[in-house]
Amino acid sequence: AQTVTQSQPEMSVQEAETVTLSCTYDTSESDYYLFWYKQPPSRQMILVIRQEAYKQQNATENRFSVNFQKAAKSFSLKISDSQLGDAAMYFCAYFGAGGGADGLTFGKGTHLIIQP
Amino acid sequence: DTAVSQTPKYLVTQMGNDKSIKCEQNLGHDTMYWYKQDSKKFLKIMFSYNNKELIINETVPNRFSPKSPDKAHLNLHINSLELGDSAVYFCASTYGRGGEQYFGPGTRLTVT
Repeated sequence: AQTVTQSQPEMSVQEAETVTLSCTYDTSESDYYLFWYKQPPSRQMILVIRQEAYKQQNATENRFSVNFQKAAKSFSLKISDSQLGDAAMYFCAYFGAGGGADGLTFGKGTHLIIQP
Repeated sequence: DTAVSQTPKYLVTQMGNDKSIKCEQNLGHDTMYWYKQDSKKFLKIMFSYNNKELIINETVPNRFSPKSPDKAHLNLHINSLELGDSAVYFCASTYGRGGEQYFGPGTRLTVT
C-alpha cells in the first residue's frame, strides 16, 4: 500500500517570505499522480497543484511550485511571497494510476501559519 | 453553480440512529468518492464509485453503505451510529484517472 508522509506538523513564515513544505511517499508503482491540497478554516478542500509522475518538469501555479524528485520519492511545495490568505492546512496526496478506483492517499497535513 | 454539493453541512444525532448524507455533482464526472476526516484532520478514503463499480476500503465498517441512484449522486447511509463515527465526511468527484478531485463542502457529523 502507498503511504504519504508529511514530517512538519506545523510551519510558520513571515508574510512575503518563502516557505517550503515537505512530503515524501512510498510506492512500487511507476505511474502515478501527486497533489497538494489546501484546507482553510472554512474546511473546503482546494487543489493547489498537481504533478504527473511521468513528467519531469516541476509543476508551477503562480506563487506555488513543487520540487518533484521521483527517485527520492519526494514532492515538496514551495510558496513564494507568502500572503495571509495562504494560512491553512496543506495536504500532500497520492493517486495511483493502476487499475481500480481507490481514491487519494493523504499525508497527515502541515498547518501553515503566516505571521503579519 | 456549486460543482459538488453535500447536504446537510452539519448533522447532530444520537448513538444508534440511522442517517444519510447526500452528495451531488454537476460536473459530468464518472467517479465519485467518500472520504472521512477525523478529529486530527487525517483524511482517509472510504469508498469510490465508478460506472456502477463500487470499491470499498477494507477498514470501513459495514454499517456504512454508499448508494448511487445515478451518475451525479452518491449518498452515504450510516446505520447504528457510534460515537467514533463523529467526523467530517467529504464527497468528491473526478473524471478519468489522476485528474483533480473536486470536493464538496463537507458534512460535520456529531454523534452524542
